[in-house]
Amino acid sequence: SQKIEQNSEALNIQEGKTATLTCNYTNYSPAYLQWYRQDPGRGPVFLLLIRENEKEKRKERLKVTFDTTLKQSLFHITASQPADSATYLCALSPALNYGGATNKLIFGTGTLLAVQP
Amino acid sequence: DTGVSQDPRHKITKRGQNVTFRCDPISEHNRLYWYRQTLGQGPEFLTYFQNEAQLEKSRLLSDRFSAERPKGSFSTLEIQRTEQGDSAMYLCASSLGPPPAPGLIPNEQFFGPGTRLTVL
Repeated sequence: SQKIEQNSEALNIQEGKTATLTCNYTNYSPAYLQWYRQDPGRGPVFLLLIRENEKEKRKERLKVTFDTTLKQSLFHITASQPADSATYLCALSPALNYGGATNKLIFGTGTLLAVQP
Repeated sequence: DTGVSQDPRHKITKRGQNVTFRCDPISEHNRLYWYRQTLGQGPEFLTYFQNEAQLEKSRLLSDRFSAERPKGSFSTLEIQRTEQGDSAMYLCASSLGPPPAPGLIPNEQFFGPGTRLTVL
């Protein structure tokens, strides 16, 4: 069956450390993968997108890697701050047979990150 | 505020009643999506519009659910004969871009704040 798995347990880290979140998928061939942040009671907010032919993408303190062989994406937040505390969701779009990708997003369950001051 | 808006933010209803939610996307966005999210889970795709055309529907969208986007702007999601299992956060998102095509990656989706539905 198709699955997108993220660590269900909360990740607790100390301020200033690097947070690393994992997203594993099975039985998908994603054209691209996205990471979103979601705060309680609010909709997800887009952070980064990485394509299947890209290994790494960076944006300020954020870094995403994408390994289509391992079927895994890693999301890193360097120099973490208490304001980074939130749930982080990975989402993929399955590739279409003729190329490109569908428009819908398939989300993982999310990982709650708590950064302690 | 020029973001995606949803109305109402909260809805409490009794089992068997019909409910309707509204989503106003970012004005220039031609794509509109509906997702459902239950506690501790990620959003689940329900349906998607390209302008006024409903291009894809999830198997999650039973015949009690119907979505419309009559003029290609705002959208409504109606649930008939609500059940307790329908209790969830209903999220709307919008984006800008062409239809799916080889080599094209859709743009990011902007989400609204959601409508929290509680069915008693």
